[in-house]
Amino acid sequence: ETGVTQTPRHLVMGMTNKKSLKCEQHLGHNAMYWYKQSAKKPLELMFVYNFKEQTENNSVPSRFSPECPNSSHLFLHLHTLQPEDSALYLCASSQATGLSGNTIYFGEGSWLTVV
Amino acid sequence: DQQVKQNSPSLSVQEGRISILNCDYTNSMFDYFLWYKKYPAEGPTFLISISSIKDKNEDGRFTVFLNKSAKHLSLHIVPSQPGDSAVYFCAASWRNNAGNMLTFGGGTRLMVKP
Repeated sequence: ETGVTQTPRHLVMGMTNKKSLKCEQHLGHNAMYWYKQSAKKPLELMFVYNFKEQTENNSVPSRFSPECPNSSHLFLHLHTLQPEDSALYLCASSQATGLSGNTIYFGEGSWLTVV
Repeated sequence: DQQVKQNSPSLSVQEGRISILNCDYTNSMFDYFLWYKKYPAEGPTFLISISSIKDKNEDGRFTVFLNKSAKHLSLHIVPSQPGDSAVYFCAASWRNNAGNMLTFGGGTRLMVKP
């Protein structure tokens, strides 16, 4: 148990579907992140929220839409995805992005398959 | 261009021996380095970190060494145990307009044989 919970753990969706990934952290952190891990690629940062404000969008296509209603919850809304978007999507949290030595803690990930 | 590189995709070690995982970086602005361990079907878990003002940090069986002049860090695990078999990611932290960001290497799969 890492203190960062992601649901669902596995998701299969069609290219015309709309689905959402959910993340909740119980660590009292103020920053939350979405990362993507594709096969044989390094972890890619997608979005960063610091105190509910989006501070980083790493050139992510608009078919991925994040939402951060409060510091404990983070969503990733998915719409008209492509098969190449199939990957492990990891949520993470940390105290705040402005701190030196910022250790982030990951959830267990949501495996997404787009068919 | 990858700023954090783990050039060995895999490493096999005998139980009880030392495992040495290497990581190279190019950005001299990185000020904090971390190692994460990842089992299949799980998210990465934080293992150990080191500030750029230090050259060594030790935590039990795990020691991280930093050579700033060579832009190189390494993780030593001794003695290695079968349960250490996992993918290890090196990460480096730097500050941009959005705050402190982490950049990850591609990972090294460690296999510890009984």
